Amino acid sequence: AQKITQTQPGMFVQEKEAVTLDCTYDTSDQSYGLFWYKQPSSGEMIFLIYQGSYDEQNATEGRYSLNFQKARKSANLVISASQLGDSAMYFCAMREGGTGGFKTIFGAGTRLFVKA
Amino acid sequence: DTAVSQTPKYLVTQMGNDKSIKCEQNLGHDTMYWYKQDSKKFLKIMFSYNNKELIINETVPNRFSPKSPDKAHLNLHINSLELGDSAVYFCASSRDRAYNEQFFGPGTRLTVL
Repeated sequence: AQKITQTQPGMFVQEKEAVTLDCTYDTSDQSYGLFWYKQPSSGEMIFLIYQGSYDEQNATEGRYSLNFQKARKSANLVISASQLGDSAMYFCAMREGGTGGFKTIFGAGTRLFVKA
Repeated sequence: DTAVSQTPKYLVTQMGNDKSIKCEQNLGHDTMYWYKQDSKKFLKIMFSYNNKELIINETVPNRFSPKSPDKAHLNLHINSLELGDSAVYFCASSRDRAYNEQFFGPGTRLTVL
């Protein structure tokens, strides 16, 4: 069974607009961490934002925020004021606790295209 | 100052050869990883070491053997390379094995002919 699901293979957004990239996860652990990474066309993996399962506030990092809905098991990434440089692949990932062996599992990714 | 470095960046080789990829981190992290990213961009954990101890060993052919001489280095040796081994291999590190972000190396693109 898929543990991390990103249902949007590709997304388009107009420059300066906000965009939401969807991520749902599946775990029976109470303790886990959720991450988003960006992979531009140059290939490197860049950490964007982290949300712990016990964090009550949604994480924010600059123009990135994570919309954490624990009951729905969703961890959507919101990018505000999109820029051309935001065009990239975006991966949602989850790290489970003891029963998951602290493995990080990645979703299939969403390719974001920012239009000028 | 490169945080996580990998060498080589590109590796082109013939089937059946043996090759190694080296990884070093200067972040003082305890935990290091190897990931494989296939042609569809799917990223999968292969191995993880914590303070030189193997803690994650996914279902990977035993032709792949990681070695961690110290906690700043994690090398990947691949024997008898096959066409299906062609991928981008990423090394990563994190402060420890818990819920910390991982810092990735630039990746090594391996092409097996």
